[in-house]
Amino acid sequence: GQQVMQIPQYQHVQEGEDFTTYCNSSTTLSNIQWYKQRPGGHPVFLIQLVKSGEVKKQKRLTFQFGEAKKNSSLHITATQTTDVGTYFCADGNFGNEKLTFGTGTRLTIIP
Amino acid sequence: DTAVSQTPKYLVTQMGNDKSIKCEQNLGHDTMYWYKQDSKKFLKIMFSYNNKELIINETVPNRFSPKSPDKAHLNLHINSLELGDSAVYFCASSQGGRVANTGELFFGEGSRLTVL
Repeated sequence: GQQVMQIPQYQHVQEGEDFTTYCNSSTTLSNIQWYKQRPGGHPVFLIQLVKSGEVKKQKRLTFQFGEAKKNSSLHITATQTTDVGTYFCADGNFGNEKLTFGTGTRLTIIP
Repeated sequence: DTAVSQTPKYLVTQMGNDKSIKCEQNLGHDTMYWYKQDSKKFLKIMFSYNNKELIINETVPNRFSPKSPDKAHLNLHINSLELGDSAVYFCASSQGGRVANTGELFFGEGSRLTVL
């Protein structure tokens, strides 16, 4: 079945360092969504990418969708302690009404 | 005013018992979901309902029975609980329907189920 893998599984960074998580699919993605889940919290939507090669920015966060629509990345510049959490990509399948979540990348920040 | 609310937040019970988790959304969304998050944080879809109609059942054991009395509510009943059912169960809703893109998901705060 369809799998959406994320790497790395865990990332520990010093505050102020950059962070990137990668999402890879075995099949072409209709669109990709990104979510953040704080420790003890619930997933919260960050962004959706639809077009091949699309790049979107939200302050220190940069999201990219691969040209072949089989991968995506989330890059955080100059991490802050508020960035702590698990970041999930999710494949939203047109006409299938379900979001398949990636395996997640857990980010911890060393102050 | 919470958009997606689920109760209870915590549930501790013995193996073999039956329990229910309730979910309500006040966003006017057409589609509601149950996701299970295990101890490794993997988020796996269990069920999806669109306008009270079951549209996705991801090979979940039939001990799990969802019920949607109306499009704003989706409850989850679990029979004969097993140790492996321990997890956090998230309810979610989205505007996406049968012919549209799966829209942004709004999640409830989760219900942590512990089976002893």
